[in-house]
Amino acid sequence: DSGVTQTPKHLITATGQRVTLRCSPRSGDLSVYWYQQSLDQGLQFLIQYYNGEERAKGNILERFSAQQFPDLHSELNLSSLELGDSALYFCASSVVDLSDPANYGYTFGSGTRLTVV
Amino acid sequence: AQKITQTQPGMFVQEKEAVTLDCTYDTSDPSYGLFWYKQPSSGEMIFLIYQGSYDQQNATEGRYSLNFQKARKSANLVISASQLGDSAMYFCAMREGRRGNEKLTFGTGTRLTIIP
Repeated sequence: DSGVTQTPKHLITATGQRVTLRCSPRSGDLSVYWYQQSLDQGLQFLIQYYNGEERAKGNILERFSAQQFPDLHSELNLSSLELGDSALYFCASSVVDLSDPANYGYTFGSGTRLTVV
Repeated sequence: AQKITQTQPGMFVQEKEAVTLDCTYDTSDPSYGLFWYKQPSSGEMIFLIYQGSYDQQNATEGRYSLNFQKARKSANLVISASQLGDSAMYFCAMREGRRGNEKLTFGTGTRLTIIP
């Protein structure tokens, strides 16, 4: 268990529908990142939140939105779903290595596999 | 321009041999970090090793070592004595920017297959 919790693990839905993916970061981690990994593709950065504020946006479609709540969990909302949105969606939170403060790595959740049919 | 380049889409290596996975990067930020992640067929992203831009020595973690050549902007992953369980996708990633406003960019990955 990495400490980053993503739910649900699997999601099957129809085109045109809307879904919400949830992420709980490691305890104490303030940053949450969302990534999309399509079949045989690398990870594409979608969006980053830091302590409730949006800090960076990547290749996130307008049909997608996200937010980070006061308890630091985050939700990624995907609407008007298309077949091409089928992918593995990862959430990560940043981790500080206390023995090396310059090393703030990233711990990934196990992902949500979204299948749009 | 690609920030992270992994030029080997796939590699086949005999069990117990060492393997080097290539990664080059591009940044103008003097402070950055380089990461390698392993993604087995089950899908999770597993952190392997980290190298900071100011680190003088190459990072090592068990059978993993990172061959960091700053002037050449390369950060190759070396796996010694490969095992069947090493078969997976491997991603190189780079962090730029200051904490709380940083970016983590991934390469396209290398699929490593260990042959018995």
